[in-house]
Amino acid sequence: QVQLVESGGGLVKPGGSLRLSCAASGFTFSDYYMSWIRQAPGKGLEWVSYISSSGSTIYYADSVKGRFTISRDNAKNSLYLQMNSLRAEDTAVYYCARRVGASEVWYFDYWGQGTLVTVSS
Amino acid sequence: SYVLTQPPSVSVAPGQTARITCGGNNIGSKSVHWYQQKPGQAPVLVVYDDSDRPSGIPERFSGSNSGNTATLTISRVEAGDEADYYCQVWDSSSDRHVVFGGGTKLTVL
Repeated sequence: QVQLVESGGGLVKPGGSLRLSCAASGFTFSDYYMSWIRQAPGKGLEWVSYISSSGSTIYYADSVKGRFTISRDNAKNSLYLQMNSLRAEDTAVYYCARRVGASEVWYFDYWGQGTLVTVSS
Repeated sequence: SYVLTQPPSVSVAPGQTARITCGGNNIGSKSVHWYQQKPGQAPVLVVYDDSDRPSGIPERFSGSNSGNTATLTISRVEAGDEADYYCQVWDSSSDRHVVFGGGTKLTVL
């Protein structure tokens, strides 16, 4: 069965860095686009970034562009999110999710359980 | 950028039908997907491509999309359906690409 397990969250000071990981299993990881989606406490879902199956295509939300870097290691079935220059407003649960569908009909069929990132002094 | 508007809350009695709307400019021309999120849990896909259901999702969950409004309909509502529901579209015309609605809290009375 498909499993996505995030790790790496924690408490970090403003301006600090953190690297999130997502371990995938139960499917051919290298065949799928993957994404990071976050949810601030008590708020809705916000897309953060996605990466193509090969890693050659990457997009970021404006709110994280220039500070966050998404990457993947298909040999290790792992997705990553390097987060630099963290701000209080980056505090959220971060989910990794598998993107599926077809052109203009993209959605997320499996999500991890999430990892909490807290940015506070 | 494209905006999806959902009512903050919807309430329904058990056994009745709940309708959760998702408004957007000409949303009928896009494919809409719906997620259910229970407290402390990750979102779960309940409807994709306007009206299709993933395996394991009860037939009570259905979707429609036309004009400026997409609707998630939950028939014969149960206590276990109480959750937040989010609509989502893909908007290639903006750099955001992935757009979520603000979410609707479904309360089962």
